[in-house]
Amino acid sequence: SQKIEQNSEALNIQEGKTATLTCNYTNYSPAYLQWYRQDPGRGPVFLLLIRENEKEKRKERLKVTFDTTLKQSLFHITASQPADSATYLCVMDSSYKLIFGSGTRLLVRP
Amino acid sequence: EAQVTQNPRYLITVTGKKLTVTCSQNMNHEYMSWYRQDPGLGLRQIYYSMNVEVTDKGDVPEGYKVSRKEKRNFPLILESPSPNQTSLYFCASSPEFDPGYNEQFFGPGTRLTVL
Repeated sequence: SQKIEQNSEALNIQEGKTATLTCNYTNYSPAYLQWYRQDPGRGPVFLLLIRENEKEKRKERLKVTFDTTLKQSLFHITASQPADSATYLCVMDSSYKLIFGSGTRLLVRP
Repeated sequence: EAQVTQNPRYLITVTGKKLTVTCSQNMNHEYMSWYRQDPGLGLRQIYYSMNVEVTDKGDVPEGYKVSRKEKRNFPLILESPSPNQTSLYFCASSPEFDPGYNEQFFGPGTRLTVL
């Protein structure tokens, strides 16, 4: 079955550094990948969407890449801030369904 | 304000007592869906609807029912809740029937405890 995996260990970085989160998928070739931010007890909030024919997408301090050969997406936050601390979810589409990764928690130390 | 609303936000109930969690969106969205979120398992899709009167199963539909009689509403029904349905539930909507290339708008969540 289709599967999407994110590093379950928290990523702990210093303020100002670049955070890089990884998302790997198996048994499927999604046409799109989405990234969301989720704060504790709250609903996910959309950040970026990237199509399979796009290698890279940027939005302010955020950058997403999509490597269909490696079956991987990387999510980068440059010049990270403590306010960026949250859980980040990778999502792929599969025939009108959405499959979510379990998320990677990011902690940015001041 | 464009939003997805869910009610109730918190619910404690007992095994076997039927309950309904309501979901409503005011953005005229085509696609609506329900998810449950459990620690370590992430969000899992329960049911989705591409339009009025069109619903289909997600990955974990057992023990749940849905209906889509109006475009704006998508209630989640638990006919006979069991303790393994204790979870945090989210409703979401998106503008078009294919969610892959559309941003999902999530509600605030409903925390359900079944004793």
